[in-house]
Amino acid sequence: QKEVEQDPGPLSVPEGAIVSLNCTYSNSAFQYFMWYRQYSRKGPELLMYTYSSGNKEDGRFTAQVDKSSKYISLFIRDSQPSDSATYLCAMTKSGGSNYKLTFGKGTLLTVNP
Amino acid sequence: DSGVTQTPKHLITATGQRVTLRCSPRSGDLSVYWYQQSLDQGLQFLIHYYNGEERAKGNILERFSAQQFPDLHSELNLSSLELGDSALYFCASSVKGQGAYEQYFGPGTRLTVT
Repeated sequence: QKEVEQDPGPLSVPEGAIVSLNCTYSNSAFQYFMWYRQYSRKGPELLMYTYSSGNKEDGRFTAQVDKSSKYISLFIRDSQPSDSATYLCAMTKSGGSNYKLTFGKGTLLTVNP
Repeated sequence: DSGVTQTPKHLITATGQRVTLRCSPRSGDLSVYWYQQSLDQGLQFLIHYYNGEERAKGNILERFSAQQFPDLHSELNLSSLELGDSALYFCASSVKGQGAYEQYFGPGTRLTVT
C-alpha cells in the first residue's frame, strides 16, 4: 500500500463548478498537509498548507484535513479555465530537521469554458 | 516565479554518460531538497541538504550523488545513466525553523537518456 493515494482522474468540469479533490494516507505521523498545483511542464506551485486537522480557506480554495479518517480534501469554488492543471497533495511529519514531502500521484483537472 | 532556479531546462544524453543538474535556492533559504518526477512513480524525494550538510536520503540510487556548496547552491550528479533515469528533476528550497515544511519548487530539469 502506498503511503499516499490520490485518484489520478482525469476530472473534467464546466466553468463555475465546485471541484473536490481528495487524498488518503496511511502514515499517522504526517502532520503537515499541502496542496500543490502543477501546470504542464512546470514546477509544482504551493497553493496552501494545513497543520493537523481542520479547515483552511484562501480565496476560492479550501483545504480540509480529517486525521481520524486519514483523509484530506481541496475544494475549488467558482472554478476557472485557468485552474486546469494537475493537483498534487503532499504531506510531511512534524519535528526534526528533515521535512521531506511524500506526494500523491496527482489529479489532472480540466475546467471547460 | 518561486525564486528557485534550475539549470539546464532540458538535457539529452546517452546511456552510460554523466550529467550535473544545478539548483539555486530562494534567497535566504538554507534547505535544498531534490525530487524526481516520472510518469509511473510520481514525485519522489531523493535527498535533502541543509546549509551544506546532507540531512536525509530517500529513494536515491547509488549512481546519483549531490552536494550543497557554501553559497548554498546545490548540484545533483547522475552517472552511468540508464534509459529509466529519464525524468523531470526538481529541486525545492525552504527556510530554517518555522515554515521549514513549506517547500518552493524550481522549474525543473527535463532529462532524456537515449
